[in-house]
Amino acid sequence: AQKVTQAQTEISVVEKEDVTLDCVYETRDTTYYLFWYKQPPSGELVFLIRRNSFDEQNEISGRYSWNFQKSTSSFNFTITASQVVDSAVYFCALSGGSNYKLTFGKGTLLTVNP
Amino acid sequence: ETGVTQTPRHLVMGMTNKKSLKCEQHLGHNAMYWYKQSAKKPLELMFVYNFKEQTENNSVPSRFSPECPNSSHLFLHLHTLQPEDSALYLCASRQNTGELFFGEGSRLTVL
Repeated sequence: AQKVTQAQTEISVVEKEDVTLDCVYETRDTTYYLFWYKQPPSGELVFLIRRNSFDEQNEISGRYSWNFQKSTSSFNFTITASQVVDSAVYFCALSGGSNYKLTFGKGTLLTVNP
Repeated sequence: ETGVTQTPRHLVMGMTNKKSLKCEQHLGHNAMYWYKQSAKKPLELMFVYNFKEQTENNSVPSRFSPECPNSSHLFLHLHTLQPEDSALYLCASRQNTGELFFGEGSRLTVL
């Protein structure tokens, strides 16, 4: 069975602070994929990143960066110099091998205050 | 704009009504999904269609009836729903590399 845990239910920061959203996963698959999605108030889930289990390189995209560590089964997401527009619910998700059923965590509500 | 369009965006229905949710994707993907998002709960996978064939039914009650006439369209037919079915219903299509692209959802309220 697959499981994704986002222990932080809500995080509140002040603009320009850095913030890290935690994600811990469980799977028995040797090949799997990890994802992060952003859900703004409009409701649509916006795809941010996909990582496969063979690639542990960290990734940076602008103010966003992701730290994938298989040893701790974690795939954390950091926003540098947060902005008000970053306020949203962020979901971590997992799918195993060729099984493209994404299992989502419960999400972390990030509020960035001006 | 993700290329996945859901209508209606909001729907209010009584428990005896019959209504349908529609999803259309313009991304050329071959797989489409229905997810349910309730308050305080993780997103729940409901159905998966691959090349118009249903490949996943996640023990969804029969009052939810999906239909996939082609790879670009997906419907969710609703009848005799319960108030606990009130939720945001999200449609997604899947790229070959596994990413799902979601619509904005249909917010359903069952009275």
